[in-house]
Amino acid sequence: AQSVTQPDIHITVSEGASLELRCNYSYGATPYLFWYVQSPGQGLQLLLKYFSGDTLVQGIKGFEAEFKRSQSSFNLRKPSVHWSDAAEYFCAVGANPGGTSYGKLTFGQGTILTVHP
Amino acid sequence: DADVTQTPRNRITKTGKRIMLECSQTKGHDRMYWYRQDPGLGLRLIYYSFDVKDINKGEISDGYSVSRQAQAKFSLSLESAIPNQTALYFCATSAPGQGQNEKLFFGSGTQLSVL
Repeated sequence: AQSVTQPDIHITVSEGASLELRCNYSYGATPYLFWYVQSPGQGLQLLLKYFSGDTLVQGIKGFEAEFKRSQSSFNLRKPSVHWSDAAEYFCAVGANPGGTSYGKLTFGQGTILTVHP
Repeated sequence: DADVTQTPRNRITKTGKRIMLECSQTKGHDRMYWYRQDPGLGLRLIYYSFDVKDINKGEISDGYSVSRQAQAKFSLSLESAIPNQTALYFCATSAPGQGQNEKLFFGSGTQLSVL
């Protein structure tokens, strides 16, 4: 069975500092990986996704993530954090999107990001 | 108006009561999902439906049932609510056949408290 681990429950950074959120996955085949962000009182919004090809993926709001198969990781990064980035971030793994199981995502526990001015 | 609408936004109920959470979408998507979110556990899939006649159990379907009344409507029911069903519930939709462009669209969630 697939699983996702986000080791950091809560991270605090200063505005303007760089950010890296960790994600490790377990999946028997080539994974399809996602990062979602949830602002308070809101649903989840897709930041970026990895299906194949280039292992460095660019997303919205200046985020990027790097897929490292050897480390089973898909860490999210941003070079300079803005106060509006404060939210909860979820990493997720899914099955083959070409099949019938795309929306059946397995989510990590989430990482809460606090941004200090 | 939101593309994926969940009602109610908040609900407090008592143990043993039957409750229904509703989801409607204007995106024209065939696929709909119900997830629940618990602090420290992330989101877990309860049920999913790939079209009106196709309903499937997810990871944690016990204690829940669903109804796909139309392409645009997907309801989640708790036949006899219990306190450990207190959670934030999300409905989501997606459209098949778009390959790498396919993604989930989430509603704003329903916060359910079972006392």
